[in-house]
Amino acid sequence: AQRVTQPEKLLSVFKGAPVELKCNYSYSGSPELFWYVQYSRQRLQLLLRHISRESIKGFTADLNKGETSFHLKKPFAQEEDSAMYYCALSGHSNSGYALNFGKGTSLLVTP
Amino acid sequence: NAGVTQTPKFQVLKTGQSMTLQCAQDMNHEYMSWYRQDPGMGLRLIHYSVGAGITDQGEVPNGYNVSRSTTEDFPLRLLSAAPSQTSVYFCASSYDGEAFFGQGTRLTVV
Repeated sequence: AQRVTQPEKLLSVFKGAPVELKCNYSYSGSPELFWYVQYSRQRLQLLLRHISRESIKGFTADLNKGETSFHLKKPFAQEEDSAMYYCALSGHSNSGYALNFGKGTSLLVTP
Repeated sequence: NAGVTQTPKFQVLKTGQSMTLQCAQDMNHEYMSWYRQDPGMGLRLIHYSVGAGITDQGEVPNGYNVSRSTTEDFPLRLLSAAPSQTSVYFCASSYDGEAFFGQGTRLTVV
């Protein structure tokens, strides 16, 4: 069964501090992992996906198959990073691109 | 391009009423899906479609119906609204694994 776990409901950091949002998953095959972000009053949007290995808005995430983790990191948090972050997994099964989301972590960056 | 458009943005229903949440996309994506977002629960998949004429159930399908007569439209029907269906509903279309979301419909059932 697919499962995505985000252990932190709320993460509060000071501006300029490093931030790490944790994501662990369980999946028997080769999953594709994503991070989606929802800023206040905006729609959900893709932040990054593991296959692209890009750095978006200073965020990076590395897929660790041994630890089944896909933690999101940024070395220096900015106030505009305050948002809801969702880790998601796509198993590419018969359900096509169905995404299995974690419960989300609310990131608050304070000045 | 408008992307994914959902209507209405807000809706209040009485228990037992029925209604349809509309979702349209102009990106010619084959895959579309509906999620509900509840506090502390994240997003849960209600129904999805891999193409016109094909739909299937997600994690929480009970109380909802869908149809996909065209590539562009994927309406979600609540047959007999219940207070447990109070939620924010998101429609999404996907291409190459990336989901594009609508702005959401905030539904309250009283």
